[in-house]
Amino acid sequence: DAGVIQSPRHEVTEMGQEVTLRCKPISGHDYLFWYRQTMMRGLELLIYFNNNVPIDDSGMPEDRFSAKMPNASFSTLKIQPSEPRDSAVYFCASSLRQLETQYFGPGTRLLVL
Amino acid sequence: SQQGEEDPQALSIQEGENATMNCSYKTSINNLQWYRQNSGRGLVHLILIRSNEREKHSGRLRVTLDTSKKSSSLLITASRAADTASYFCATDAGANAGKSTFGDGTTLTVKP
Repeated sequence: DAGVIQSPRHEVTEMGQEVTLRCKPISGHDYLFWYRQTMMRGLELLIYFNNNVPIDDSGMPEDRFSAKMPNASFSTLKIQPSEPRDSAVYFCASSLRQLETQYFGPGTRLLVL
Repeated sequence: SQQGEEDPQALSIQEGENATMNCSYKTSINNLQWYRQNSGRGLVHLILIRSNEREKHSGRLRVTLDTSKKSSSLLITASRAADTASYFCATDAGANAGKSTFGDGTTLTVKP
């Protein structure tokens, strides 16, 4: 398996623009997680899905952030409108079952100017 | 607040020495995992230890778990320069089962 795939790997945008991050989990994994990592706040869980259904979105910072999982092989994290403080590395991870190992993607490095 | 907190924040050792990192947490857990992150990369899973286990080994890695003290340690023996990375513990606890909370990590530097 290719592992968790994220795109784009890097994104530079201007404040106010919409940003869409994409993730393809490992085939057969039931859980998908979106994380954000910054120097100031470390690694934060934003939202996670089980069988395509959002289970916990309490980490989503604001209404500007939204996430969807239309099918088992694809998820998006959207920021609209983006702000400079959204600059971070966004990771997607998936796991086979509850309480099992999470496999992380390479991350998307987002810079909002 | 973070469930898992690593200690020390930074550790610098010579190649061949052992490195020990600690993780403390606040509430009861189902399991605890250790991950490694090389600079600019995603996290890589190292070891998962369940709440009913006390010790696990994987190659040069040894993880212990003391649920009475709510702490875990990661020992890397005979360290190599390639072990230079940040190490995170993640806990998966109680009602939040399925959701891991990561600490701030320990940055390990192994000098050749």
